[in-house]
Amino acid sequence: DADVTQTPRNRITKTGKRIMLECSQTKGHDRMYWYRQDPGLGLRLIYYSFDVKDINKGEISDGYSVSRQAQAKFSLSLESAIPNQTALYFCATSQLGGGPSGANVLTFGAGSRLTVL
Amino acid sequence: AQSVTQLDSHVSVSEGTPVLLRCNYSSSYSPSLFWYVQHPNKGLQLLLKYTSAATLVKGINGFEAEFKKSETSFHLTKPSAHMSDAAEYFCVVSGGSQGNLIFGKGTKLSVKP
Repeated sequence: DADVTQTPRNRITKTGKRIMLECSQTKGHDRMYWYRQDPGLGLRLIYYSFDVKDINKGEISDGYSVSRQAQAKFSLSLESAIPNQTALYFCATSQLGGGPSGANVLTFGAGSRLTVL
Repeated sequence: AQSVTQLDSHVSVSEGTPVLLRCNYSSSYSPSLFWYVQHPNKGLQLLLKYTSAATLVKGINGFEAEFKKSETSFHLTKPSAHMSDAAEYFCVVSGGSQGNLIFGKGTKLSVKP
């Protein structure tokens, strides 16, 4: 089984619908992240969580919300999906530690491709 | 503030020839730097990382990168390209006191037979 599992892998929905993308991990990592990938733009951070009680906005959090249900689970919600949220979404995890000289190596899930019509 | 620039959006090489993917960074302190690879329809995988130890870093699959502080560069190289190297490559810099990572926009590597 994969260390970081994302569901669903593919989803097509309509404008205005509520969507939840789920992520679970077996790495035992404290930190979890949600990124969005668009062609030519690289990966941009949506939200991150350093533990169950710590949720932080990333670079592009508008239109998204998250829930850290447990150390191993981190879900991303689109309350009312719009077409420009069509993208590939990645969940990632890393070990506690970091800081300016930290080596936050990320373990990625396989991605969830979302299409909003 | 930290930032990273990948100088080429697309690089095409022939199988067996050298690979050079260029990355420049900006950081207000000694950064951690990474290269990740993304094969088609897959998640990202760590290729190598620099964390203020040796400036020449060796990674998986024959890739290596050299940290050059004077040039603020962290270019990725491989002596001989293989067809399986065709993928998108991301240069990443540690982003601040919280250790968040900032991704470059990616370089797509094509390998011709």
